[in-house]
Amino acid sequence: AQSVTQLGSHVSVSEGALVLLRCNYSSSVPPYLFWYVQYPNQGLQLLLKYTSAATLVKGINGFEAEFKKSETSFHLTKPSAHMSDAAEYFCAVSDQRGGYNKLIFGAGTRLAVHP
Amino acid sequence: GAGVSQSPSNKVTEKGKDVELRCDPISGHTALYWYRQSLGQGLEFLIYFQGNSAPDKSGLPSDRFSAERTGGSVSTLTIQRTQQEDSAVYLCASSLLIQETQYFGPGTRLLVL
Repeated sequence: AQSVTQLGSHVSVSEGALVLLRCNYSSSVPPYLFWYVQYPNQGLQLLLKYTSAATLVKGINGFEAEFKKSETSFHLTKPSAHMSDAAEYFCAVSDQRGGYNKLIFGAGTRLAVHP
Repeated sequence: GAGVSQSPSNKVTEKGKDVELRCDPISGHTALYWYRQSLGQGLEFLIYFQGNSAPDKSGLPSDRFSAERTGGSVSTLTIQRTQQEDSAVYLCASSLLIQETQYFGPGTRLLVL
């Protein structure tokens, strides 16, 4: 069965610093992987997705993630944090055994950005 | 264009009452999903619709939970005899086709007293 582990429930960075949010997955088939962001009292917004094309995926707001099969990882990065990046971030893997995208989410990482 | 909308945005109810949560997907989206976000369980899948049928109901936590979709559009999630552990944010998502990106609504925050 597919699963996702996000290391670090809380991450704090300074404005302008590198953002690194970690995600490891478990999947018995080639995975589809996603990063979503959730701002307070809002739904989830897709940042980026990996669907077996390029291993380096670029998303919105300057975020990118690299799929590393050997490490079963899909870490999210951004070179320079902005205050507006403060939110909760969820990594997800798609269980497609039923022929559709049933998303399995990690527990989430709350990112704080301080001046 | 209009995104996924959900109503009500907040719902407070007493234990034992029934509640209905509504989801309006993006127009033309054939697939619709319900997820639940709670402190103890995180984000978990509840049910998936393709058109008006629900091929996968595996995530519904008990028989108190049911959902329907009519006209290939609006979906209603019903919780009967609510319990305090049902308190959570219920999120709806839709996608154009079954393997396409899911777009999420803002959620309904349910509090059972």
